[in-house]
Amino acid sequence: DAGVTQSPTHLIKTRGQHVTLRCSPISGHKSVSWYQQVLGQGPQFIFQYYEKEERGRGNFPDRFSARQFPNYSSELNVNALLLGDSALYLCASSLSGSAYEQYFGPGTRLTVT
Amino acid sequence: AQTVTQSQPEMSVQEAETVTLSCTYDTSESDYYLFWYKQPPSRQMILVIRQEAYKQQNATENRFSVNFQKAAKSFSLKISDSQLGDAAMYFCAYKEGTGANSKLTFGKGITLSVRP
Repeated sequence: DAGVTQSPTHLIKTRGQHVTLRCSPISGHKSVSWYQQVLGQGPQFIFQYYEKEERGRGNFPDRFSARQFPNYSSELNVNALLLGDSALYLCASSLSGSAYEQYFGPGTRLTVT
Repeated sequence: AQTVTQSQPEMSVQEAETVTLSCTYDTSESDYYLFWYKQPPSRQMILVIRQEAYKQQNATENRFSVNFQKAAKSFSLKISDSQLGDAAMYFCAYKEGTGANSKLTFGKGITLSVRP
């Protein structure tokens, strides 16, 4: 079975631009969570979606938004990019909204110049 | 709010030796899960081992075992017979047991190097 997939792998954007990151969960998983990992730090929770509903939101500005589609894939959108948004963005999927077993994708490396 | 602390930024171990990675956490909850994740340079976060707070027995997975001290809020990872492939960044993570979501709270991580 395919694991969690994310696209694109790498991305370079300019300050002020908008970016969309995509995630496809493991087949049968209905929950997707997004994390931001700044270089040298642990991942920080951004959002979780389960059955297309937001289940949790971390301490991130409103420039960050996400959604989940009927096929359980998800998009993370970031508006008005700042240099500080440069990070590895990780997606994790799980069977249910409160499941402890999460599986991570390889991440998208975003560089903002 | 829950916090996870990994105070050792780096550790090194000789191949075939044993190493212990430390982690402490702070929570007022009684029901929770603790995890160790491995992140190699390839970036993929891999679950190494999981411990349920209600279980007194320490979890083990092959060469990996934990020392879970609930009263002290300590959760260390022991890697036995270290291999070159164990070199990676290791993160300790916490999840509420009764929470409505799957949010993980991570520590800052520790970089483990393995000397041949």
